Amino acid sequence: QQQVKQSPQSLIVQKGGISIINCAYENTAFDYFPWYQQFPGKGPALLIAIRPDVSEKKEGRFTISFNKSAKQFSLHIMDSQPGDSATYFCAGPSGGSYIPTFGRGTSLIVHP
Amino acid sequence: GAVVSQHPSRVICKSGTSVKIECRSLDFQATTMFWYRQFPKKSLMLMATSNEGSKATYEQGVEKDKFLINHASLTLSTLTVTSAHPEDSSFYICSARGLSSSYEQYFGPGTRLTVT
Repeated sequence: QQQVKQSPQSLIVQKGGISIINCAYENTAFDYFPWYQQFPGKGPALLIAIRPDVSEKKEGRFTISFNKSAKQFSLHIMDSQPGDSATYFCAGPSGGSYIPTFGRGTSLIVHP
Repeated sequence: GAVVSQHPSRVICKSGTSVKIECRSLDFQATTMFWYRQFPKKSLMLMATSNEGSKATYEQGVEKDKFLINHASLTLSTLTVTSAHPEDSSFYICSARGLSSSYEQYFGPGTRLTVT
């Protein structure tokens, strides 16, 4: 049973454009919603995370938007750059303690 | 801060042999460590969760006798793939969570295992 649904599976954006990746979750027991960035052959790295006491968090060109009522959160990459080309994963909680379940990933390609 | 290392980064072994992968938290104490497996262009599949000093909790479908996990200290966890088969070839990634956070986890760089 997939508890975290991520879309789209792949995304192609021109340099300077906005990349948007969405994530829907089911478990409402926890309050930590992260996005990870992974380059080929490397481990994932925490990119940005949000707690639901705010609806938006911005760090540089990366923004998380959170919609608690819809149980969704999204990643926005402004002014996308070729160096942003990577796979992005959202994660949500599963089970009785915070053991994260990862979305299926979004492969982002930013064309120069 | 919050650096996690893995060793080796790549390993090739013959079928039937065992291989050990180490995961270390370099600048924090990791109360919980996670082991993941990732197939090409796929998501991370959680294999097991380990807490320092206690037995690992394995996810459904993961053979605990084949994938031995030891979390002997607050900075080191090991994954041993026993009697390796070619289908065990994969990218193995560990992550660690520290005392100061219930949620944040930090990933190692991964280990590419190839079984011939």
